[in-house]
Amino acid sequence: GAVVSQHPSWVICKSGTSVKIECRSLDFQATTMFWYRQFPKQSLMLMATSNEGSKATYEQGVEKDKFLINHASLTLSTLTVTSAHPEDSSFYICSAEDRRFGETQYFGPGTRLLVL
Amino acid sequence: DAKTTQPTSMDCAEGRAANLPCNHSTISGNEYVYWYRQIHSQGPQYIIHGLKNNETNEMASLIITEDRKSSTLILPHATLRDTAVYYCIVRGFSGGYNKLIFGAGTRLAVHP
Repeated sequence: GAVVSQHPSWVICKSGTSVKIECRSLDFQATTMFWYRQFPKQSLMLMATSNEGSKATYEQGVEKDKFLINHASLTLSTLTVTSAHPEDSSFYICSAEDRRFGETQYFGPGTRLLVL
Repeated sequence: DAKTTQPTSMDCAEGRAANLPCNHSTISGNEYVYWYRQIHSQGPQYIIHGLKNNETNEMASLIITEDRKSSTLILPHATLRDTAVYYCIVRGFSGGYNKLIFGAGTRLAVHP
C-alpha cells in the first residue's frame, strides 16, 4: 500500500525559531500533497495544497508567509513554520495523493509541535 | 463541497459488526464518498471509498444508497483496535484539486 512518512515525529522549540517538517511518499510519486493541522479534541483542518514544482495553494485564513511550503520533488514536501509562537503548537499532518488508487490521499503519522 | 452528517459517538461489542452511518444529501454526481479513521495521536488511516456501487475490501464494506444521499461503513467483526474516530468525507474538487474536508466524525468505542 501507499506509505507516507513524516519527520520529525515531534519537536519542541523556543518561541521565535523556525521549524521544518518533512513529508515523504515512500513507495509512490505524489504530484500533490496536502498539509493539515489538528488542535486537541478537534478535527483536521486543511491548511494548504502543495503541488510539485509550483506554489502552494493556501486555505482561507492560513498565512502563507507563516507556513512556508516547498514541494521540490515528487516524493517530498516540506512545511516550515516560521517564527513559531506558542499558539502554533499543534499536530501537523501531511497527506499525499496516490494516482495509482484513484487519487486517494494517504496520510503521514503526523508531527507534534510544541513551542515554548 | 458536500457536507456530511455523522453521529457523534457509537458503541459496539467486540466481535459484532459495527455499522457507521453517514448522511450526504447534497452530494454531486461525480463526488466520491471516502472513509478514514484516526486512532488517537496518529494520522488518519484510509479505509475505503466509493462512488455508486457498494465496495468491500479487507478492512470494511461500504454500502451507498441508490440515491447516494447516505452511506454506511460496516466493520464486520469489530475488535478493540477498531476504537477510533471515523470520518465520512465527500471528496470535492476545488481550485483544481481533490480536497478532503474533515468534519467531526463518529467516535466508535469497541468494548469487550
